[in-house]
Amino acid sequence: AQSVTQPDIHITVSEGASLELRCNYSYGATPYLFWYVQSPGQGLQLLLKYFSGDTLVQGIKGFEAEFKRSQSSFNLRKPSVHWSDAAEYFCAVGAGKSTFGDGTTLTVKP
Amino acid sequence: NAGVTQTPKFQVLKTGQSMTLQCAQDMNHEYMSWYRQDPGMGLRLIHYSVGAGITDQGEVPNGYNVSRSTTEDFPLRLLSAAPSQTSVYFCASNTGTTDNEQFFGPGTRLTVL
Repeated sequence: AQSVTQPDIHITVSEGASLELRCNYSYGATPYLFWYVQSPGQGLQLLLKYFSGDTLVQGIKGFEAEFKRSQSSFNLRKPSVHWSDAAEYFCAVGAGKSTFGDGTTLTVKP
Repeated sequence: NAGVTQTPKFQVLKTGQSMTLQCAQDMNHEYMSWYRQDPGMGLRLIHYSVGAGITDQGEVPNGYNVSRSTTEDFPLRLLSAAPSQTSVYFCASNTGTTDNEQFFGPGTRLTVL
């Protein structure tokens, strides 16, 4: 069965600082991996996805993620966080019938 | 394109009442899914459909019913509402190809008293 673990429930960073959100997955074959962002009271929006090829993928809003098969990880990064990045972030595995992590809430300090 | 739409946005029910959450998409997607979101628990799959006339259970199907008579619509029925079904419900659709992401509706916030 596929599963996703996001070890960090809540992360606080200062505006302008770098960010890394962790995601570990369990999947039987080549994983299809996604990062979504959810602003308060909103639905989920796709940030980026990986299914093959280059293990470093670029997404919207300046986010990137690196797929590491040996570590079963797909961590999300941003070099310089903006106050508008404060939201909840979800890692997911699988398409069609996706399995989501429990989410990481990002707080940005001014 | 409207994308994925859900109605209502908010609903309050009493224990034992039944209701249907509506979901529609205009992207001609084959796959549609219902998730519930509870604090600290991410999104959990309730039911999904891989095409008109085909549905299957997800992780937490008890107390919910679905049908898929058309490609566009995928309603979720609560048969006899319970306080444990208080949650935010999201409908999603996708093409069904392995590299395609989910497209989400705006959600329905349901409270069962």
